[in-house]
Amino acid sequence: EVQLLESGGGLVQPGGSLRLSCAASGFTFNKYIIYWVRQAPGKGLEWVSSISGSGVDTYYADSVKGRFIISRDNSKNMLFLQMNSLRAEDTAVYYCAKRFDGGSFFDYWGQGTLVTVSS
Amino acid sequence: EIVLTQSPATLSLSPGERATLSCRASQSVSSYLGWYQQKPGQAPRLLIYDASNRATGIPARFSGSGSGTDFTLTISSLEPEDFAVYFCQQRSNSLTFGGGTKVEIK
Repeated sequence: EVQLLESGGGLVQPGGSLRLSCAASGFTFNKYIIYWVRQAPGKGLEWVSSISGSGVDTYYADSVKGRFIISRDNSKNMLFLQMNSLRAEDTAVYYCAKRFDGGSFFDYWGQGTLVTVSS
Repeated sequence: EIVLTQSPATLSLSPGERATLSCRASQSVSSYLGWYQQKPGQAPRLLIYDASNRATGIPARFSGSGSGTDFTLTISSLEPEDFAVYFCQQRSNSLTFGGGTKVEIK
């Protein structure tokens, strides 16, 4: 059974940093692109970042480029998101999600971790 | 950036009725569009990929159609568990989502 479990969310002041983690199981982790997708309270979904199976290729939404860093440790089946220079508009539930075999859709999601940026 | 506009924002229907949800893209996405269902406090669930293909385990009452810029998700007969928020997502150029349609009980 595929499982994704995020952790690391919490309350942080504007300008601060936070590191999210996602523990994966139930599939061959290093073969899949994994994503971070976020959802502000009561709002829609926003793709944040992607990383290739090897970890070599990374992609970011313009809204987070230069501030967030995605990485993975395939030896531990772990995905990470280092978030720096946080802003109030980064407040959201952050989900990790696995790429669907048939294309760039998201077929398995974690339960999400809430990041609140506030003073 | 490709903008996806979903309509209506809210759809008020009764169980057993047919639901028709729309997603319009600001430019052609070919057939590279999917649909998700999200219930309160839960992560989204993939329903439809590439416009008209049901994901594994999705009931046949869910169907998708369209290509280019205009897409439709149809739920043929609403079950109690179908009342939720539905999002469309394109993968033609980067990855973007629509704003969602809430299907609520009338």
